[in-house]
Amino acid sequence: EVQLVESGGGLIQPGGSLRLSCAASGFTVSSNYMSWVRQAPGKGLEWVSVIYSGGSTYYADSVKGRFTISRDNSKNTLYLQMNSLRAEDTAVYYCARETYYYDSSGYLVGWGQGTLVTVSS
Amino acid sequence: IQLTQSPSSLSASVGDRVTITCRASQGISSYLAWYQQKPGKAPKLLIYAASTLQSGVPSRFSGSGSGTDFTLTISSLQPEDFATYYCQQLNSYPLLTFGGGTKVEIK
Repeated sequence: EVQLVESGGGLIQPGGSLRLSCAASGFTVSSNYMSWVRQAPGKGLEWVSVIYSGGSTYYADSVKGRFTISRDNSKNTLYLQMNSLRAEDTAVYYCARETYYYDSSGYLVGWGQGTLVTVSS
Repeated sequence: IQLTQSPSSLSASVGDRVTITCRASQGISSYLAWYQQKPGKAPKLLIYAASTLQSGVPSRFSGSGSGTDFTLTISSLQPEDFATYYCQQLNSYPLLTFGGGTKVEIK
């Protein structure tokens, strides 16, 4: 069974750092394009970052230079290192597996349950 | 690319036909997806490439449109369809954006 389980969320002060993890089972993280998507409380969805199977990474402007996406192939786990956190980073963070349909990737077909990050003093 | 969904919320009864629209700030061909999200749960892909039903999704869901204007239609609303629906554009992949969401509530 394909499953994604996020962890690592919590309460953190502004300016602090946190690393989120997303443990995968039923498929190989390194063979897939994997994304992070976040959702502020009561708000809509915001794409955060993607890592390609080849290792290329991309970020939303709102997190560029502060967040880093990575993976550990031996643990089949995706990560999001979040530095210089701000109040506006408060959200539920989901990891998601992308799939390719027709001539585009970016369709998010498998999601974790999410982990809540709260940035507050 | 910005996506504007309308309405932001609607009330409907079981059995109603429901239509949600998504307008892109520039042409995105058919690079559009629709997701359903229930409270406390992760989103679920319903439709990709603007009009193709994801495997396992009931046929009462349909999508249409291309360019800048898109619609998601639920032909006969069922109790399990009360949720929030989001459109997503992939034209600027890997930079993905979502619409603001449409909450479908019980009348």
